[in-house]
Amino acid sequence: QKEVEQDPGPLSVPEGAIVSLNCTYSNSAFQYFMWYRQYSRKGPELLMYTYSSGNKEDGRFTAQVDKSSKYISLFIRDSQPSDSATYLCAMSALVGTYKYIFGTGTRLKVLA
Amino acid sequence: DAGVTQSPTHLIKTRGQQVTLRCSPKSGHDTVSWYQQALGQGPQFIFQYYEEEERQRGNFPDRFSGHQFPNYSSELNVNALLLGDSALYLCASSFGSSGANVLTFGAGSRLTVL
Repeated sequence: QKEVEQDPGPLSVPEGAIVSLNCTYSNSAFQYFMWYRQYSRKGPELLMYTYSSGNKEDGRFTAQVDKSSKYISLFIRDSQPSDSATYLCAMSALVGTYKYIFGTGTRLKVLA
Repeated sequence: DAGVTQSPTHLIKTRGQQVTLRCSPKSGHDTVSWYQQALGQGPQFIFQYYEEEERQRGNFPDRFSGHQFPNYSSELNVNALLLGDSALYLCASSFGSSGANVLTFGAGSRLTVL
């Protein structure tokens, strides 16, 4: 079993839709959770960064962490064609490591 | 403010050859991590350098080695290239000694091994 599981998609939605992207994980030591957006043939770009459980909102993006269920989500409101990209979740334990574990990424396509 | 810069952007090598990839961290950052991203996969941690020392290594063979220079820039070296080493190699920089620092990625170096 992988430490981080993420549905690879592709996920196609119409412009303006609310998008829900999710990851599950198995390591209860994970404390830091990040979402990155990666356009084709580019490096990942940080979208959201949360610590422990709870919600965080930034513009059209909301990140949720449910540590009891080992489940994190990224919601995108009023999705735009420019949001079409691969979305990667990443997580790390607080202590004793410097590496982040990434999901495989979900490909999102927002149709105009 | 320059972000993370990597060179070269693309390169093609043959099996058995050696390759060196270079990275300049974001201004103000002192820590460099290297990740390998195979096609359709998420990035996999290779190693991290801080204060010119490798302080953590992922599950990669000794053919993968690195270096960090006093100006915080870094190199990734891969010897005896295999077909399976074909991937996007990502450099990420961060600041400070904590393990909980946000990573800023470069655009990557795409390596093709024939």
